[in-house]
Amino acid sequence: GENVEQHPSTLSVQEGDSAVIKCTYSDSASNYFPWYKQELGKRPQLIIDIRSNVGEKKDQRIAVTLNKTAKHFSLHITETQPEDSAVYFCAAPSDTGRRALTFGSGTRLQVQP
Amino acid sequence: SAVISQKPSRDICQRGTSLTIQCQVDSQVTMMFWYRQQPGQSLTLIATANQGSEATYESGFVIDKFPISRPNLTFSTLTVSNMSPEDSSIYLCSAIPSGGLNTEAFFGQGTRLTVV
Repeated sequence: GENVEQHPSTLSVQEGDSAVIKCTYSDSASNYFPWYKQELGKRPQLIIDIRSNVGEKKDQRIAVTLNKTAKHFSLHITETQPEDSAVYFCAAPSDTGRRALTFGSGTRLQVQP
Repeated sequence: SAVISQKPSRDICQRGTSLTIQCQVDSQVTMMFWYRQQPGQSLTLIATANQGSEATYESGFVIDKFPISRPNLTFSTLTVSNMSPEDSSIYLCSAIPSGGLNTEAFFGQGTRLTVV
């Protein structure tokens, strides 16, 4: 099955700075990589995802990059705001062809005003 | 998209008892899953809920402890049986709407279980 590693576990930035969270995966056949944001006491919500046929995807202040050769993908948040403070999880399919997800360990992002 | 409702949202239970968590989706979905999230931790897949057949369990989770039902495309239940304090956790239902491959997985709001 898939193994997903995520770092850093905590990240503190000043408002307006950029934040980068990195994940690696083990299964070279994995082809879908979502990122979820979970605010305290709330459900995880998808913020962006990328498929293996592209190397980068952007949505306003959020971008994800994928390096299939190195088997890693990263979340980039620019111009961070206090409301970006949350726990972020990367994920990958648990097994080839399955839609269940294996999650990374999570990154607690704190944006200081 | 899909709106997922779980109930109860939280419960405090005595050890040795069982709790059944319900998950209702507002639209037809292809896949439904149950995850566990221990406080401050990541999400761990318990099982895939298969419509009309036995669930597919991940390593470390067994049917006797976590029986799952999925009688139709939009509803599933997870029972936590013979509970112990180690079962205290958040249990999350997840579903993928019909259509396409690797589409977005939606989550219920979770059931916060405390076993005393």
